[in-house]
Amino acid sequence: EVLLVESGGGPVKPGGSLRLSCAASGFTFSTFTMNWVRQAPGKGLEWVSSISGSSSYIFYADSVRGRFTISRDNAKNSLYLQMKNLRAEDAAVYYCAREAFGDLNPFDFWGQGTLVTVSS
Amino acid sequence: DIQMTQSPSTLSASVGDRVTITCRVSQSVNSWLAWYQQKPGKAPKLLIYKASTLESGVPSRFSGSGSGTEFTLTISSLQPDDFATYYCQQYNTYSPRTFGQGTKLEIK
Repeated sequence: EVLLVESGGGPVKPGGSLRLSCAASGFTFSTFTMNWVRQAPGKGLEWVSSISGSSSYIFYADSVRGRFTISRDNAKNSLYLQMKNLRAEDAAVYYCAREAFGDLNPFDFWGQGTLVTVSS
Repeated sequence: DIQMTQSPSTLSASVGDRVTITCRVSQSVNSWLAWYQQKPGKAPKLLIYKASTLESGVPSRFSGSGSGTEFTLTISSLQPDDFATYYCQQYNTYSPRTFGQGTKLEIK
């Protein structure tokens, strides 16, 4: 069974930093592109970042480029999102999502999300 | 960047109704479009990919159609479990993987 479990969310002050983690199990993690998607309270889904299985390809949304860093540790079956210089508009539930196997595919499995709140 | 526009934003319907949600894309994404269902407090769930292919386990009352810039999600006979928010997403490009703004399907 595919399982994605996010952690690391919590309250942070504007300008602060936070590192999210996503523990994966039930599939060969290293062969799948992984993504972070966020959802601000009461709002829609916003894709944040993606990383290929070997970390060769990394992409970011314009809204987070230069402040967020996506990474993965295939030996630990884990995905990370380092967030710096956080702003009020970064407050959201952050989901990790697996991209279906192959090139350019939809997100077939999602974690339950971890909540990030940004407030002074 | 590719823009996605869903309509309507909110849809009120009754159990048994046939409903259609539209997703318009600012430039062609061929058939590389997916639909997701999200219930309150839950993660999104993939329903349809490649515009019209049903994900395993998704009831056959769901169907998708379209290509290029206009797509539709149809639920043939609404069931109580179907009241949720639906999102389209294009995956024709690596970045960004744009989502539509969502359509909330409410009970009339």
